Amino acid sequence: AQKVTQAQTEISVVEKEDVTLDCVYETRDTTYYLFWYKQPPSGELVFLIRRNSFDEQNEISGRYSWNFQKSTSSFNFTITASQVVDSAVYFCALKDTGRRALTFGSGTRLQVQP
Amino acid sequence: NAGVTQTPKFQVLKTGQSMTLQCAQDMNHEYMSWYRQDPGMGLRLIHYSVGAGITDQGEVPNGYNVSRSTTEDFPLRLLSAAPSQTSVYFCASSYRGQRQETQYFGPGTRLLVL
Repeated sequence: AQKVTQAQTEISVVEKEDVTLDCVYETRDTTYYLFWYKQPPSGELVFLIRRNSFDEQNEISGRYSWNFQKSTSSFNFTITASQVVDSAVYFCALKDTGRRALTFGSGTRLQVQP
Repeated sequence: NAGVTQTPKFQVLKTGQSMTLQCAQDMNHEYMSWYRQDPGMGLRLIHYSVGAGITDQGEVPNGYNVSRSTTEDFPLRLLSAAPSQTSVYFCASSYRGQRQETQYFGPGTRLLVL
């Protein structure tokens, strides 16, 4: 069975601090996909990144970076020099080849204070 | 492209009423799905479709019906609304093939059942 755990329910930081959002997953498949989505206060779900299980290269996109480690089944997300606009709920999600749907974690609410 | 669109944005129903949540996409995606989002639970799959004329159940299908007569549209019907169906509903779509694993979400429909 698939499972995604985001142990941090809520994180509060001050602007310009770095922050890491944790994601731990479980799957029996050897081929799977991991995602991060952002849900700002307006409510829509914004796709941030997809990572394939066979590609453990870390990725950086501007102030965002992702650390994928199969050995610990983790796919953590770091925001460098956080900004107020980063305030949102962030979801980690998993999809393996046996399922049509994404399995979502319960989300981490990030509040960036000015 | 408008992407994935959903109507209405907000709806209030009385217990026992029926209604249809509309979802449309203009990206020629084969795969479409409906999720519901409840506090602290991430998103859970209700129904999905891999193409016109083909639908299947997700994790929480009870009380909902779907049909897929065209590639573009995937409506979700509530047969007899119950307070437990108060939630935010998201429609998503994706390609099949190598890019199939990234799902793009509509803006959501917030439903309140009294």
